[in-house]
Amino acid sequence: EVQLVESGGGLVQPGGSLRLSCVASGFAFSTYWMHWVRQVPGKGLVWVSHVNSAGTTTTYADSVKGRFTISRDNAKNTLYLQMNSLRAEDTAVYYCVREKWTFDYWGQGTLVTVSS
Amino acid sequence: DIVMTQSPDSLAVSLGERATINCKSSQSVLSSSNNKIYLAWYQQKAGQPPKLLIYWASTRESGVPDRFSGSGSGTDFTLTISSLQAEDVALYYCQQYYTSPYTFGPGTKVDIK
Repeated sequence: EVQLVESGGGLVQPGGSLRLSCVASGFAFSTYWMHWVRQVPGKGLVWVSHVNSAGTTTTYADSVKGRFTISRDNAKNTLYLQMNSLRAEDTAVYYCVREKWTFDYWGQGTLVTVSS
Repeated sequence: DIVMTQSPDSLAVSLGERATINCKSSQSVLSSSNNKIYLAWYQQKAGQPPKLLIYWASTRESGVPDRFSGSGSGTDFTLTISSLQAEDVALYYCQQYYTSPYTFGPGTKVDIK
């Protein structure tokens, strides 16, 4: 069974940092592209970032470019999102997502709240 | 960026009746190299992550009931629930995965009348 389990969310002050993790199981993690998608509670879905299977190619939404870094450790079956210079508008549930053609499996999400 | 729009914002349908959701992309999401349409539909129930229903505009994901169907071409797409069941109450999103940033529509809320 495919499982994606996110962790690392929480309350952080504006300008602070957090690192999200997503542990994958039930599939060959190293062969899939992975993504982060976020959702402000009660609002729509916004794609944040992607990394290719080898971890050598990454892309970012303009809203997070230069502040967020996606990475992966295929030996640990883990996806990361390092978030720096956090802003109030980054408050959201962050989902770890597997790509097979499109986003076929989603984790349960981890809530990030940026507030003083 | 490709902008995705959906209509209506919400709809209420009687049990067993048809529900139709429309989605429009600001530019074509049809690839000329493989003739595939890079359009997906997701269902999100309260308190849950989204679930993939349809990809390539009309291919049903494994395990998705056949009352869900997708159609469309170019820039106009439709998700149809042929006979609404109580468990179909949810938000439905379309998404283009043709090019980054991979954008979603704003969602359509489906309720029981």
